[in-house]
Amino acid sequence: NAGVMQNPRHLVRRRGQEARLRCSPMKGHSHVYWYRQLPEEGLKFMVYLQKENIIDESGMPKERFSAEFPKEGPSILRIQQVVRGDSAAYFCASSPVGQGQGYTFGSGTRLTVV
Amino acid sequence: GENVEQHPSTLSVQEGDSAVIKCTYSDSASNYFPWYKQELGKGPQLIIDIRSNVGEKKDQRIAVTLNKTAKHFSLHITETQPEDSAVYFCAASILNTDKLIFGTGTRLQVFP
Repeated sequence: NAGVMQNPRHLVRRRGQEARLRCSPMKGHSHVYWYRQLPEEGLKFMVYLQKENIIDESGMPKERFSAEFPKEGPSILRIQQVVRGDSAAYFCASSPVGQGQGYTFGSGTRLTVV
Repeated sequence: GENVEQHPSTLSVQEGDSAVIKCTYSDSASNYFPWYKQELGKGPQLIIDIRSNVGEKKDQRIAVTLNKTAKHFSLHITETQPEDSAVYFCAASILNTDKLIFGTGTRLQVFP
């Protein structure tokens, strides 16, 4: 049973480009969460999605960031016009029941903006 | 909003000694407290969790205690081993809401 799959593991983008981060939840998990981790800091909640629905996006920056979890395929975190401050590790977690429980995290995507 | 503070930020112990990491939370409605271990280059892994109706939970060498009155909870690792070296995060959430609030992490080093 594969875990939460994130790709790419490493992503380098120039300022102004777009970054697309993908997350495939564990089989049977319909709840997906995205977190951002800055160096030497904890994980900050960004967004919670279920299939075709954004449930809570209270942690998402108002501009340039968007997320989706389509009926088919992985969840996508999209960052438009990246800036140096977007450099971080982005982790996806999935859960079978939501409610903040039973999270399984992926290995993350490390985004570097040059 | 909810805030979780974690101490210490770094902790070095000799193999075989115990390690204790402490967290405090701000929202008295919080009722679920997981602990995660993150090894270098990997995602966080759940190692133990506790709910607010329980004061202590143990799983082999790790235990978590919760003091609801003081709004703090602690991770205890006994008989530490070099493979326990990692960054440990505490978190808190309100059951039936959807996000975990994480502490800033503790880097534990266990020296042989």
